[in-house]
Amino acid sequence: LAKTTQPISMDSYEGQEVNITCSHNNIATNDYITWYQQFPSQGPRFIIQGYKTKVTNEVASLFIPADRKSSTLSLPRVSLSDTAVYYCLVGGAGNNRKLIWGLGTSLAVNP
Amino acid sequence: EPEVTQTPSHQVTQMGQEVILRCVPISNHLYFYWYRQILGQKVEFLVSFYNNEISEKSEIFDDQFSVERPDGSNFTLKIRSTKLEDSAMYFCASRGLVGSTDTQYFGPGTRLTVL
Repeated sequence: LAKTTQPISMDSYEGQEVNITCSHNNIATNDYITWYQQFPSQGPRFIIQGYKTKVTNEVASLFIPADRKSSTLSLPRVSLSDTAVYYCLVGGAGNNRKLIWGLGTSLAVNP
Repeated sequence: EPEVTQTPSHQVTQMGQEVILRCVPISNHLYFYWYRQILGQKVEFLVSFYNNEISEKSEIFDDQFSVERPDGSNFTLKIRSTKLEDSAMYFCASRGLVGSTDTQYFGPGTRLTVL
C-alpha cells in the first residue's frame, strides 16, 4: 500500500483558499486518492476522491498531476469551522480496501 | 442522507471485562470495517468483513477481538477481556459496491475507556 506524506500542520485565515499537498510516490496503477476530514473525537468524514486530473465537488477540489505521485486538496474560502485534521489516503484497491492512515495535516483557520 | 451509526457513544469498563461495540452500517452496503484511534495517534485498521466473514485483519486484532453481523443491520465488535491499552475511539465504516471505488463512510465512533 502506498505511503503518503503531507505537512503536519498549516495555518490560514478565514476567507482564504487553502491547498494541502500530499505526496504518494509509490501509488499503484489501480489506486485511488481519497481525502478525509476529522474533527476531534469524531469519525473521519469523506471529502473527495479522484484518480487523475481534477475532481470538484461542493466542498473541495482535488488536483492530481499526470504522474499521480502527488495530489492537492483545495479548500476555497475557508471558515473557522474548517479547522480540522485532513488525511490523504491512497490504495484500498481490490474488494477489501482497508485504509492505511498517516498523521494527517492539522489545519488551523484563524479569524 | 444515510449514515453509519454507533452505540454507545462512550463506554467505560473495568480491565478484564468484555465489551461489545455496536454499529449499524448504511443499509445497502456490503463491506464493513472497524478502525481504532488512540488519543493523539493515527487511525488504525482492525478488521474488514464481507459476505459474513473476515476478509482481512491487522495484528492488533488478536484472539481477544471478534466481529459479528448477527442480523441484517448490526455489525458488532467484541473485546473479550479488555486491557488498559484498548482505551481508544473505535470507528465502524461501511462501503457499498463490489469491486468499485466506492468510499468508506465512517460512524461517529465509540469512546472506550478501560479502567
